[in-house]
Amino acid sequence: SQKIEQNSEALNIQEGKTATLTCNYTNYSPAYLQWYRQDPGRGPVFLLLIRENEKEKRKERLKVTFDTTLKQSLFHITASQPADSATYLCAPSRRALTFGSGTRLQVQP
Amino acid sequence: DAGVIQSPRHEVTEMGQEVTLRCKPISGHDYLFWYRQTMMRGLELLIYFNNNVPIDDSGMPEDRFSAKMPNASFSTLKIQPSEPRDSAVYFCASSLDRLNTEAFFGQGTRLTVV
Repeated sequence: SQKIEQNSEALNIQEGKTATLTCNYTNYSPAYLQWYRQDPGRGPVFLLLIRENEKEKRKERLKVTFDTTLKQSLFHITASQPADSATYLCAPSRRALTFGSGTRLQVQP
Repeated sequence: DAGVIQSPRHEVTEMGQEVTLRCKPISGHDYLFWYRQTMMRGLELLIYFNNNVPIDDSGMPEDRFSAKMPNASFSTLKIQPSEPRDSAVYFCASSLDRLNTEAFFGQGTRLTVV
């Protein structure tokens, strides 16, 4: 069965550094991969979408890579800020939008 | 548009009672999704609709769960009878496409079954 893995341990970094979050998937080949941000008590909010034929996509301080050979996506936030602290969810999907369990990012001032 | 609207925001009910969660998607969106989020299992897809028709309900945990979409602007998720293990946050989301566009989530309904 298909499996999506994100680091369950929180990632703590200093303000100004680059945060890198990992999303691994197994037993299927997603056509699209989306990343969302979720703040406590709120629904997920869309950040970026990348297609299987794309290697990389950028939006302002965000960058996503999609390696279909490694079955992995990396999500980068450059020049991180305390306001970037949240849980980040990846959704490598083929039939419907299915999510990993998320990684909590904490940016220290 | 006000976004995806869910009601109620919080629901506390006793075991065995019927619970109905409601969702109003964004106008013009063809897809509607119901998710359940818990600490243990993360964000799970329960069911999704396309043009008001249920397409995939393989994520619905048991026959106690049912979902309907009588028209393009309204959907319900019903649990009957409810059990303590159903306690979770339930999200509704809508989108223009199944995978190729962003999904917009509601604020969620926090359900507590005691």
